[in-house]
Amino acid sequence: GAVVSQHPSWVICKSGTSVKIECRSLDFQATTMFWYRQFPKQSLMLMATSNEGSKATYEQGVEKDKFLINHASLTLSTLTVTSAHPEDSSFYICSASDREQFFGPGTRLTVL
Amino acid sequence: QKEVEQNSGPLSVPEGAIASLNCTYSDRVSQSFFWYRQYSGKSPELIMSIYSNGDKEDGRFTAQLNKASQYVSLLIRDSQPSDSATYLCAINTDKLIFGTGTRLQVFP
Repeated sequence: GAVVSQHPSWVICKSGTSVKIECRSLDFQATTMFWYRQFPKQSLMLMATSNEGSKATYEQGVEKDKFLINHASLTLSTLTVTSAHPEDSSFYICSASDREQFFGPGTRLTVL
Repeated sequence: QKEVEQNSGPLSVPEGAIASLNCTYSDRVSQSFFWYRQYSGKSPELIMSIYSNGDKEDGRFTAQLNKASQYVSLLIRDSQPSDSATYLCAINTDKLIFGTGTRLQVFP
């Protein structure tokens, strides 16, 4: 299957700081990427759909000003968690669509 | 009613047995169905996709789709301890809708 990378794989930050997570499709061009969040022992929750060259579409209840998404090219989408707080600590996973969705390895964010 | 429903398990099977994982969905319009495997602390990995009624086999895995009954299943033959994971069923509308997953435990 297609390869999707994420960076960083884990990050620890202080409350109030911003964290940027990158998602790259390595061997195909993805006009659409997705960002998910997963809390322990829970299922994936779709946060937003990222479309190359246009604004992201956020799911209900997800603050677009807190979770900034940029999809500047067909192979790169970024998620910035602004003014992170401990309750934002979670496993963030991106995916890229090439008829089927392939997931990146995820980024574990811990906010102290 | 949830859009995609799965039994949370755990489903425990002995090594070498067939594991049967089931999923029902409510959206009759869905045309694409997927099974993902997720190990603890890892991201989901696509293991099967199925688009038409019937069976689709790939190695030890067989996906079965019945659109009339809104039912999709995954059979794992010759189960191995390394198959122990959470299996997520997903349907594709304009985005993937996931079930909560079934935890499979294969014991030696």
